[in-house]
Amino acid sequence: DADVTQTPRNRITKTGKRIMLECSQTKGHDRMYWYRQDPGLGLRLIYYSFDVKDINKGEISDGYSVSRQAQAKFSLSLESAIPNQTALYFCATSGDLGANVLTFGAGSRLTVL
Amino acid sequence: AQSVTQLGSHVSVSEGALVLLRCNYSSSVPPYLFWYVQYPNQGLQLLLKYTSAATLVKGINGFEAEFKKSETSFHLTKPSAHMSDAAEYFCAVSWMDSSYKLIFGSGTRLLVRP
Repeated sequence: DADVTQTPRNRITKTGKRIMLECSQTKGHDRMYWYRQDPGLGLRLIYYSFDVKDINKGEISDGYSVSRQAQAKFSLSLESAIPNQTALYFCATSGDLGANVLTFGAGSRLTVL
Repeated sequence: AQSVTQLGSHVSVSEGALVLLRCNYSSSVPPYLFWYVQYPNQGLQLLLKYTSAATLVKGINGFEAEFKKSETSFHLTKPSAHMSDAAEYFCAVSWMDSSYKLIFGSGTRLLVRP
């Protein structure tokens, strides 16, 4: 099994629908992240969590929310999806050491029509 | 503001040729520096990282990168490209005063011609 598992891997939805992307990890890491990848823009941080009681906004959090249900689970929600949220979404985890190395999931491709 | 810039969204080389992917950061404080690779339909995986030890860092698959403080650069090189190196490469930086959150460059897609 993968260290970081994302579900669903692909999702097509319509404008205005609520969508949840889920992430679970077996690394035992406290830190979890959600990134969005768009062509030519690299990866941009949406939200991050350093432990179960800690949630922080990243650089592009508008239109998104997250929930850290447990150390191993971190979900991303789009309350009312819009077409410009069409992107590839990555969950990642890291340990607490300073020079953090991220372990990424395989990605969730979301298309909003 | 702290940032990272990758010069060239696409780089094309012939198989066997030198690979050079450029990365520059903007900060007065040297950051931690990383290169990640993304193969088609996969997540990102770490190639190598610089954490203030040796300035020349060796990574997986024959890649290496050199930290040059005077040039605020961390360019990625490989002496001889292989077809399997075709992928997208991301430079990333983090700083202690930003809780070590990674900031990614926009990525460079490496194409390897036979």
